[in-house]
Amino acid sequence: DAKTTQPPSMDCAEGRAANLPCNHSTISGNEYVYWYRQIHSQGPQYIIHGLKNNETNEMASLIITEDRKSSTLILPHATLRDTAVYYCIVRGASGNTPLVFGKGTRLSVIA
Amino acid sequence: KAGVTQTPRYLIKTRGQQVTLSCSPISGHRSVSWYQQTPGQGLQFLFEYFSETQRNKGNFPGRFSGRQFSNSRSEMNVSTLELGDSALYLCASSPRSSGNTIYFGEGSWLTVV
Repeated sequence: DAKTTQPPSMDCAEGRAANLPCNHSTISGNEYVYWYRQIHSQGPQYIIHGLKNNETNEMASLIITEDRKSSTLILPHATLRDTAVYYCIVRGASGNTPLVFGKGTRLSVIA
Repeated sequence: KAGVTQTPRYLIKTRGQQVTLSCSPISGHRSVSWYQQTPGQGLQFLFEYFSETQRNKGNFPGRFSGRQFSNSRSEMNVSTLELGDSALYLCASSPRSSGNTIYFGEGSWLTVV
């Protein structure tokens, strides 16, 4: 079973920041938080991952709370092409741990 | 750098037949995983291969099998196809080091009629 809880759907106005929350209250000390997204009919796309510190790349920022029980993925300026299902996944540090997907959050970016 | 490549992208098979799907991982990646995605069950892990050996297996019947070649390419096979096997089959690759990232291909859409 997935170790994360996400809202089933969210809307965001185009050009605004999209903040997608994820709850992972049972996360262990050596487990990472990964975010993927899946645009309709395509394979999941890796976005970002982190362990303890906040992370930023060209796609998004990941904010992890100090107690590591929740995190927020931030898309700073959402566009229509960001409409997708976003998956928050907790995964062990071992390189052989598969990804366990939940139902994710369906983000709709509205013009 | 080329991404994960899967072939074929779309295929239609008849119940009882078997199917083979192919995957070329990202250059330098030695781990290949397969996932199945259906509307009812979502994305589920099938199995992982590393150094030509199956390392992890999900909860799927023995009709689902795979293999990995010495160049890290992988194939998965589904025998005696059932209507419920209709799905998007996704291949993913990674370097399999600690904290590594798994990258997915675009998938193979299988329809069983």
